[in-house]
Amino acid sequence: DTEVTQTPKHLVMGMTNKKSLKCEQHMGHRAMYWYKQKAKKPPELMFVYSYEKLSINESVPSRFSPECPNSSLLNLHLHALQPEDSALYLCASSQDPDAHGHKETQYFGPGTRLLVL
Amino acid sequence: EDKVVQSPLSLVVHEGDTVTLNCSYEVTNFRSLLWYKQEKKAPTFLFMLTSSGIEKKSGRLSSILDKKELFSILNITATQTGDSAVYLCAELYGGATNKLIFGTGTLLAVQP
Repeated sequence: DTEVTQTPKHLVMGMTNKKSLKCEQHMGHRAMYWYKQKAKKPPELMFVYSYEKLSINESVPSRFSPECPNSSLLNLHLHALQPEDSALYLCASSQDPDAHGHKETQYFGPGTRLLVL
Repeated sequence: EDKVVQSPLSLVVHEGDTVTLNCSYEVTNFRSLLWYKQEKKAPTFLFMLTSSGIEKKSGRLSSILDKKELFSILNITATQTGDSAVYLCAELYGGATNKLIFGTGTLLAVQP
C-alpha cells in the first residue's frame, strides 16, 4: 500500500480567509513533504518534515505554515493568501529520510487544487 | 542546486509507436533518479535508478541510467492512449535532508 490521502480535493478561499490542507499516510513513513505545482510546471518543494521535525523550508512566505502533529499527519495552514498562490498542492511521503535506495522513493497524494480569489 | 532538463518538451505519437524520453541532470549531490507519470493529479511513481547501466522494466516501460554521461532515458513500447500524460524526471538530491528536483516534464500525447 503506497497511499497518501489529501483533503480537501478542491478549495476556494478569499484573501482574508484562514484554511488548512490535510495530508495523511499510514505506511509508517518518517518523511513528509509539501509541494506546490502551478499549471504546466513541475512540482516545487515547499517544506520537508523528517521524523516530525521541519528540516527544509524552501524560503516559503509565512502565510503558509506547516504542521506535523504526528508521524502520520501533515497539515498546511493558509492565511492571507494571494491570487498567485492558486495552484495544486501536493503532499508526499517517503519511508526513511536517512536511508539510501528504495526507501527514499517519494509517494504522492492526489493533491488539493486551491483557488484564491 | 542541481538542475534537471528533460526533452522533448512535448511529443505526439500514434498508438503502437515506441517513444524515448530523455532526462539529463547535474551531479553535485546525486543520490538517484526517479521517473513519475502525472495525469490529472498526483505524480505516480514509475522507477528509481541508482546504478548505471542496469535497466529497470515494468511492462511496456523501461528506463536506464548513465552516470558517466549524466542522463537517463524512459522508453515506452507499443504506446496506448492511456500512456498520454506528463512524464516527470526528478533527481534525488542528497544534502542534510534529501529532496527531489524535478525537470520540466515531457507531455506525451498518444493518438488512436
